[in-house]
Amino acid sequence: QSVLTQPPSASGTPGQRVTISCSGSSSNIGSNYVYWYQQVPGTAPKLLIYRSNQRPSGVPDRFSASKSGTSASLAISGLRSEDEADYYCAAWDDSLSVAFGGGTKLTVL
Amino acid sequence: EVQLVESGGGSVQPGGSLRLSCVASGFTFDDYAMHWVRQVPGKGLEWVSGISWIGDRRGYADSVRGRFTISRDNDKNSLYLQMNSLRVEDTAFYYCTKEGYSASPSAPPDFWGQGTRVTVSS
Repeated sequence: QSVLTQPPSASGTPGQRVTISCSGSSSNIGSNYVYWYQQVPGTAPKLLIYRSNQRPSGVPDRFSASKSGTSASLAISGLRSEDEADYYCAAWDDSLSVAFGGGTKLTVL
Repeated sequence: EVQLVESGGGSVQPGGSLRLSCVASGFTFDDYAMHWVRQVPGKGLEWVSGISWIGDRRGYADSVRGRFTISRDNDKNSLYLQMNSLRVEDTAFYYCTKEGYSASPSAPPDFWGQGTRVTVSS
């Protein structure tokens, strides 16, 4: 049972905009930054978003994120086939640990 | 270029021990906290343990506390995870990860190694 809650799956067609939600509590998302990762099966997770809405260099601006209260969301616009992957949210928890979401499998139809 | 290279994974019987190692390069190792994160194949990510830059602050997931010990050697740019009393449910890929901004554990990682596989089975 993951600390943060994500939908297990999401899908969209090429060019569409999809969003993935992440729900937590006051001890994690409510009081700390949210991070988002992309994981292509068989590879290590890659940082997509840090500090709730910042993109590392090299991440396309098609990826954006926001946070409100104890929830956060990742948006992918102009969906491409290469975006098909698992997406995870994470946040520091005030219990002195990293909380992860259960992951969302994105399918590009 | 940041690199984290894990080693030490393998197969072990329940109750056994393994020591994972991670060699870091491409950044100033002792400027950052480090974490271990694991992933059961086909499942989600689980934080295992984190350590501050100098090793004076360490945290563990409830599932491993008392059995696993995290440590680091800044002279060798290395992170370790000593895993004792291993259980079947510890079977997973173990990732060495770097925190992005702090010398003390306080945020999720910004960079991940490729992982090392641990299998606990009789």
